[in-house]
Amino acid sequence: RKEVEQDPGPFNVPEGATVAFNCTYSNSASQSFFWYRQDCRKEPKLLMSVYSSGNEDGRFTAQLNRASQYISLLIRDSKLSDSATYLCVVSEADYKLSFGAGTTVTVRA
Amino acid sequence: DTEVTQTPKHLVMGMTNKKSLKCEQHMGHRAMYWYKQKAKKPPELMFVYSYEKLSINESVPSRFSPECPNSSLLNLHLHALQPEDSALYLCASSYGTSGAETQYFGPGTRLLVL
Repeated sequence: RKEVEQDPGPFNVPEGATVAFNCTYSNSASQSFFWYRQDCRKEPKLLMSVYSSGNEDGRFTAQLNRASQYISLLIRDSKLSDSATYLCVVSEADYKLSFGAGTTVTVRA
Repeated sequence: DTEVTQTPKHLVMGMTNKKSLKCEQHMGHRAMYWYKQKAKKPPELMFVYSYEKLSINESVPSRFSPECPNSSLLNLHLHALQPEDSALYLCASSYGTSGAETQYFGPGTRLLVL
């Protein structure tokens, strides 16, 4: 069983739409949670950390449900520039981050 | 400034060559990482350095040899690689060493082994 699982998509949405997707993690002892964004042939870049109380950064909202062991990301008012692969990342012990395989989002004009 | 730099951006090498990848950060981060990423796959951890000491080697073949000359620099020495080692090699760093902190990635070196 993979430690972090994501719906690979792709999610194809029109500009201005709202898109949301989840990831699940298997280790109940995981401490920290992140969403990274990766553009084609580029490095992963931190989009946001995910806190137990949920957090929002502009058009992006992240939620953490520890009981069900899932994390969600919602993008409102999608822009063309939001097209990317979104990586769900969970910290384990001993420096390790576990990466989901990524969810591909394509925003069309 | 959350910048990690890597050189070279691209590298083509033969299976008998020796080359090195370089990574640098000036954020005062105390942990540095090497990852390997194949196309359409997530990054895979290779090595972790904490306070300039190797703390994790994820059973990486000895043809990959990491080195941390000081707290800002991380090298990856390559020797006798195989074509299947072709990938994007990413360096990352984090301020803390507990594993729970944000890691910042460099732009990567795209390696092709012929």
